[in-house]
Amino acid sequence: GEDVEQSLFLSVREGDSSVINCTYTDSSSTYLYWYKQEPGAGLQLLTYIFSNMDMKQDQRLTVLLNKKDKHLSLRIADTQTGDSAIYFCAENFAGNNRKLIWGLGTSLAVNP
Amino acid sequence: EAGVAQSPRYKIIEKRQSVAFWCNPISGHATLYWYQQILGQGPKLLIQFQNNGVVDDSQLPKDRFSAERLKGVDSTLKIQPAKLEDSAVYLCASSLIRTPYEQYFGPGTRLTVT
Repeated sequence: GEDVEQSLFLSVREGDSSVINCTYTDSSSTYLYWYKQEPGAGLQLLTYIFSNMDMKQDQRLTVLLNKKDKHLSLRIADTQTGDSAIYFCAENFAGNNRKLIWGLGTSLAVNP
Repeated sequence: EAGVAQSPRYKIIEKRQSVAFWCNPISGHATLYWYQQILGQGPKLLIQFQNNGVVDDSQLPKDRFSAERLKGVDSTLKIQPAKLEDSAVYLCASSLIRTPYEQYFGPGTRLTVT
């Protein structure tokens, strides 16, 4: 079946690293994504990783993919108050239309 | 490059009334998506267009929801009649055909049904 799970809340101190975790079920997923949603705003694509990679780094963001365990994580280095948002994990369901399957989102609170 | 535009940003209606949302995708993006995001949940795909054709509308409640993209550019989503459980943010997104995994979202329309 199609399912993406995330922890709902994470609280960190400013300057620390944040790690947001996600598990998915579709082993045939081609891409896995992290989107950011700030209050009252639409979704912003942060980064994505192809399923044949195990790591991708983009400035303060590091994505790790463990295909065996179907586990995806997003690490934000030197977390800032502006990183406070909801982070959604999504997988590309490799069915007919390649639609995205979304998690419920992890609410990240950054405390000064 | 202009992003995905949506209007209105907010709408409050009473149950059983009708409402319409408008979306203008990024120029050149042939694929357009409408999502419903209920508070505390991830987005749920309602309908996906490629140009002016429907690719996926399996989760669209067709008894009350309709959507069109007549000229393959902008799109409207209509709810008629609205129910209380339709209160949500309606997000429009677009992508290139060759990169459906890179979806760009508009700011959304927050609908409150009272």
